[in-house]
Amino acid sequence: GAVVSQHPSRVICKSGTSVKIECRSLDFQATTMFWYRQFPKQSLMLMATSNEGSKATYEQGVEKDKFLINHASLTLSTLTVTSAHPEDSSFYICSARRAGLGRTEAFFGQGTRLTVV
Amino acid sequence: KQEVTQIPAALSVPEGENLVLNCSFTDSAIYNLQWFRQDPGKGLTSLLLIQSSQREQTSGRLNASLDKSSGRSTLYIAASQPGDSATYLCAVGRGGSEKLVFGKGTKLTVNP
Repeated sequence: GAVVSQHPSRVICKSGTSVKIECRSLDFQATTMFWYRQFPKQSLMLMATSNEGSKATYEQGVEKDKFLINHASLTLSTLTVTSAHPEDSSFYICSARRAGLGRTEAFFGQGTRLTVV
Repeated sequence: KQEVTQIPAALSVPEGENLVLNCSFTDSAIYNLQWFRQDPGKGLTSLLLIQSSQREQTSGRLNASLDKSSGRSTLYIAASQPGDSATYLCAVGRGGSEKLVFGKGTKLTVNP
């Protein structure tokens, strides 16, 4: 299977600071990556779609000025949580889809546990 | 709006038992359906991918079926092992899109 690497796996930050999370596809190119968020006992919810070379598209209710997404290359997307608050504490996870053999399959990173204190 | 429901929310079985996890979705216009495994504090591992035109997929002790008309999928695990303990997630790809809609998962515990 394809490998998607996400870094860091855990981060604790102070309220009001910004945190950057990286998502890399290691052995394939991904023109599109996805960012999800998972609150305790809830399902994974799509936050935004990251498109290489263009602006990200955000799901309804997700603040684009707060969650900055940059997809600078075919193998790297970053999510920056700006001016983080305790309610932003969550599990953030990225995915990339690899197309081939008539199908596409989603591969996920390891996730990032963000705690804002 | 697509909604995905997984039943049961939690399941505890003795080692060696065969078991079935259920997933239902409200909109049958799906692109595909994927089953994942999530270990505590970890990312997702893809287990099986079923295209909308397929009825089932098998990998080792795992078998997943898809019935689009009824909006259901099942994940069958044969001869369960303690190492199978994890949360199993079902996700459907929206029609015409690569975006996934997830269920809340079934937390499986296999007791030695």
